[in-house]
Amino acid sequence: AQSVTQLDSQVPVFEEAPVELRCNYSSSVSVYLFWYVQYPNQGLQLLLKYLSGSTLVKGINGFEAEFNKSQTSFHLRKPSVHISDTAEYFCAVNRGGYQKVTFGIGTKLQVIP
Amino acid sequence: DGGITQSPKYLFRKEGQNVTLSCEQNLNHDAMYWYRQDPGQGLRLIYYSQIVNDFQKGDIAEGYSVSREKKESFPLTVTSAQKNPTAFYLCASHGERNTEAFFGQGTRLTVV
Repeated sequence: AQSVTQLDSQVPVFEEAPVELRCNYSSSVSVYLFWYVQYPNQGLQLLLKYLSGSTLVKGINGFEAEFNKSQTSFHLRKPSVHISDTAEYFCAVNRGGYQKVTFGIGTKLQVIP
Repeated sequence: DGGITQSPKYLFRKEGQNVTLSCEQNLNHDAMYWYRQDPGQGLRLIYYSQIVNDFQKGDIAEGYSVSREKKESFPLTVTSAQKNPTAFYLCASHGERNTEAFFGQGTRLTVV
């Protein structure tokens, strides 16, 4: 079985400040890791994904994430947030193919002007 | 443009009624999924289908039913047996060559 823990349900941050959204996972096998973003009343959009190779993954909108196998973490970072980054962010894992995707409970990022 | 279309965007249901949520994709994906989203609970899997005419229950299938008669379509019926159906419902699909799922824009169901 696999699971995902997003440690913060809400993260307030001032505009232009850096932000880190934390994600830890557990799995007995190798997994693929994802971050999705959801704007109000919309579906989920892929921000970035880690499949293999370099542990630092860059995504859209200036976000990046670092895979840390020893700490089973996949934290999402942005060096300077914008008002438009206000949204809910979901960490997810799966084992590839058509295996079920497991989502975290989400972290609401609130960017304060 | 390829993508997943969910309809309607907003849906109101009277207690005791069945309603069907539509999900159509033109991405030629084999796998399709239905998730329910409630505040603070993330996404919970209702049903999924990996091939036409076959589907499996997810974590919260009670009170829901699905069909997969065509590769492009995976409708979800919320039955009167679902005691708390008010939620945001998301449909997703996944292709063999993709590592991630693609999502529709969601349907917000409200029981009145």
